Amino acid sequence: DVVMTQSPLSLSVTLGQSASISCRSSQSLVYSDGQTYLNWFHQRPGQPPRRLIYKVSNRASGVPARFSASGSGTDFTLKISRVEAEDVGVFYCMQGTHWPPTFGPGTKVDIK
Amino acid sequence: QVQLLQSGAEVKRPGASVRVSCKASGYALDSYGISWVRQAPGQGLEWMAWINAENGDTKYLDKFQDRLTLTTHTATRTAYMELRSLRSDDTAVYFCARDSLGGYDLFDYWGQGTLITVSS
Repeated sequence: DVVMTQSPLSLSVTLGQSASISCRSSQSLVYSDGQTYLNWFHQRPGQPPRRLIYKVSNRASGVPARFSASGSGTDFTLKISRVEAEDVGVFYCMQGTHWPPTFGPGTKVDIK
Repeated sequence: QVQLLQSGAEVKRPGASVRVSCKASGYALDSYGISWVRQAPGQGLEWMAWINAENGDTKYLDKFQDRLTLTTHTATRTAYMELRSLRSDDTAVYFCARDSLGGYDLFDYWGQGTLITVSS
């Protein structure tokens, strides 16, 4: 199975500052169709995950522009500019390129 | 708007079975797949299985192959997950998520989650 790792696992951010989360996969996530199926999710306590980003860098509908993502192959990054209070929770990366789909361990974000 | 509404929390004895439903609204169930993901208390997300709601094809994580069954009922727009031979480590919140017909790449809408507690 493809192992997804994230760093840091915990992040404390000042409101209005930026944050960056790294996600790495144990194999390239480029699929045979040329697409890279790497998603990012945000989960607030007691809530289901919410898809933020799909296929590496595409913001999902309704996701604020302060969320951006990039990467290729095995290295991916989620950036949050101007962190807001509603951004607390856990951020997960997930690959859907190789079966079975696998999630990273999550990065817990809180406010300083 | 697209919504997935799951059945309520349940408490089960070890060895029992549980069936969780996931009712879709705002879209045609059989135009997409459904993936099921679970989250043990205080833990991360674990993908369990997927069903193509158009043709019924399924794919299960190896560890669940012999005790998990996914089905859909198009007329009622409902997907079901049945997990048998429950153990204490099956205690978790179970989520359904809309997926693609090809599998594993959508996850754009999620159910609210169903807490299954396995305890004697």
